[in-house]
Amino acid sequence: DTGVSQDPRHKITKRGQNVTFRCDPISEHNRLYWYRQTLGQGPEFLTYFQNEAQLEKSRLLSDRFSAERPKGSFSTLEIQRTEQGDSAMYLCASSSLGTGRYYGYTFGSGTRLTVV
Amino acid sequence: SQQGEEDPQALSIQEGENATMNCSYKTSINNLQWYRQNSGRGLVHLILIRSNEREKHSGRLRVTLDTSKKSSSLLITASRAADTASYFCATEETSGSRLTFGEGTQLTVNP
Repeated sequence: DTGVSQDPRHKITKRGQNVTFRCDPISEHNRLYWYRQTLGQGPEFLTYFQNEAQLEKSRLLSDRFSAERPKGSFSTLEIQRTEQGDSAMYLCASSSLGTGRYYGYTFGSGTRLTVV
Repeated sequence: SQQGEEDPQALSIQEGENATMNCSYKTSINNLQWYRQNSGRGLVHLILIRSNEREKHSGRLRVTLDTSKKSSSLLITASRAADTASYFCATEETSGSRLTFGEGTQLTVNP
């Protein structure tokens, strides 16, 4: 297993279009997280899943954002009707229940979204 | 919202010197973690310290935690040019499993 994979690495889209990102976590990790990071800032929590259940969502996750994790494996994050303010790096991380508390989370390389 | 505040925001040192970064937080935590991020890349986990620990070492890294002051420090000894990156502290609160990140310290190590 080579770690957490995110696809695509970069996405340029026109305002108003829909975009979807994918995250493949480490296979034995049952927790998956999405974060958003804007330039010069730390990552901000968006949502997390334990297996296929979405357990927590940030207020940052407006109704234009939706995340899924079917079958508790990979996850997708969709942004509908993109706005310029959505331009950011979208980071995915995974951990095992219990071990994330003691060994840290494993992050992917992120998807950089630019809305023009 | 960001829980942590990191100090300094930017740090420039010469290779071989030590680098110290500080982090403060506001709520009760299970643990505090430090991550490194090279420009435009994902975060790499460096070290985790639990709330009942006061100091931890990993290679050239030393982390301290003072829960009474709600603060932590990361010391990188004998720095190298390859240590140039942004460093973030992140806390896992007792109320949940999410990580809350600070705004980071940009470290530049000059050869």
